[in-house]
Amino acid sequence: DQQVKQNSPSLSVQEGRISILNCDYTNSMFDYFLWYKKYPAEGPTFLISISSIKDKNEDGRFTVFLNKSAKHLSLHIVPSQPGDSAVYFCAASGGNYGQNFVFGPGTRLSVLP
Amino acid sequence: DTGVSQDPRHKITKRGQNVTFRCDPISEHNRLYWYRQTLGQGPEFLTYFQNEAQLEKSRLLSDRFSAERPKGSFSTLEIQRTEQGDSAMYLCASRRHDPSRPVVGRRGGEQFFGPGTRLTVL
Repeated sequence: DQQVKQNSPSLSVQEGRISILNCDYTNSMFDYFLWYKKYPAEGPTFLISISSIKDKNEDGRFTVFLNKSAKHLSLHIVPSQPGDSAVYFCAASGGNYGQNFVFGPGTRLSVLP
Repeated sequence: DTGVSQDPRHKITKRGQNVTFRCDPISEHNRLYWYRQTLGQGPEFLTYFQNEAQLEKSRLLSDRFSAERPKGSFSTLEIQRTEQGDSAMYLCASRRHDPSRPVVGRRGGEQFFGPGTRLTVL
């Protein structure tokens, strides 16, 4: 049973527009969430994180929103750039998982020039 | 390059053979993690070390898998009697764990990943 879900396997966005990547989780004990980006032939790289005591965290073009009641988080990229084309993984930790991460299956983002 | 490195990058083996992968973490990182990633899925946690101590193992880590971090620096992951289902990308990650930080800030924390070792079992 997947505890972190990313229901959109892929997403295409025009350069300059907003990209919104969604993530849902089922374990209410998760209290820390992260987004990682992965290019082909490379390991995932950290993008941004959010603790459950916040509902928004912003870093440059990247903003993560957390809705605890809906067990949903989203990553907004504004404006999207072709270099943002990658696979994005949502990850969660907390509860029985302690400080270990549970990853979603990823969403492949394509930013079209 | 001071990032996490893994060796080899690719390994092709026949079913039943043993394989060993190596991970060199970022030097000041006391925690080291192993993950497995299959096609279309995110990384799945296998095990992690704090210094040389293996603190947790996932149920995914069968008896054929063993990991070591003998001196608290590099780590090896060995798979004995490989099966075709072991074919995957094996990722290593590291981070510095600071128990003096507040709980919220200490939980999770960024992990730095290596490029992975892609294992193909024929």
